[in-house]
Amino acid sequence: GQQLNQSPQSMFIQEGEDVSMNCTSSSIFNTWLWYKQDPGEGPVLLIALYKAGELTSNGRLTAQFGITRKDSFLNISASIPSDVGIYFCAGQKDRDDKIIFGKGTRLHILP
Amino acid sequence: ETGVTQTPRHLVMGMTNKKSLKCEQHLGHNAMYWYKQSAKKPLELMFVYSLEERVENNSVPSRFSPECPNSSHLFLHLHTLQPEDSALYLCASRPGTGLDDEQFFGPGTRLTVL
Repeated sequence: GQQLNQSPQSMFIQEGEDVSMNCTSSSIFNTWLWYKQDPGEGPVLLIALYKAGELTSNGRLTAQFGITRKDSFLNISASIPSDVGIYFCAGQKDRDDKIIFGKGTRLHILP
Repeated sequence: ETGVTQTPRHLVMGMTNKKSLKCEQHLGHNAMYWYKQSAKKPLELMFVYSLEERVENNSVPSRFSPECPNSSHLFLHLHTLQPEDSALYLCASRPGTGLDDEQFFGPGTRLTVL
């Protein structure tokens, strides 16, 4: 079945560092989404990407839709403690298809 | 606050109990979803409703029974659950199922089956 490979699985960084995570697939997706989930809460949509090559920012977050349409990455600049959580990538291939989710990247920030 | 609400937020039940989870959205969305999220496992899609019709049932055991009485409400009826059913149950909604229809999640119900 369709699968999104998200990496890394977890990250330990110092406050203030930049973060980069990515998501790859063996097949083409036409929409890429990035969500963040805080403990005990539902995932919250951070950035949605609809066009190959698109680069979109939301504050300190920047995400790109890969030109091949088989990958996407999320960068977080100057990390702060509230960035801690699980980041999920998700993609949709075609209209009416279900959204496929990656397994998540768990971000830890060291004091 | 995404506009998708779920009640209760926490539920503890015995294996012989019958309970229901409720999801509500007044965003005018036409598609609603139930997901199961277990520790250290990816999100598992359970059911999809589009325009109040069930369009997907991902091989979910019959002890989980969804109901969508109208486009704003979605229920998950639970009976004779097993301890391995303990998980965070997430509801989500979208305007439709098109490529630019963003999906919003509720806060989830943390279910514990004793």
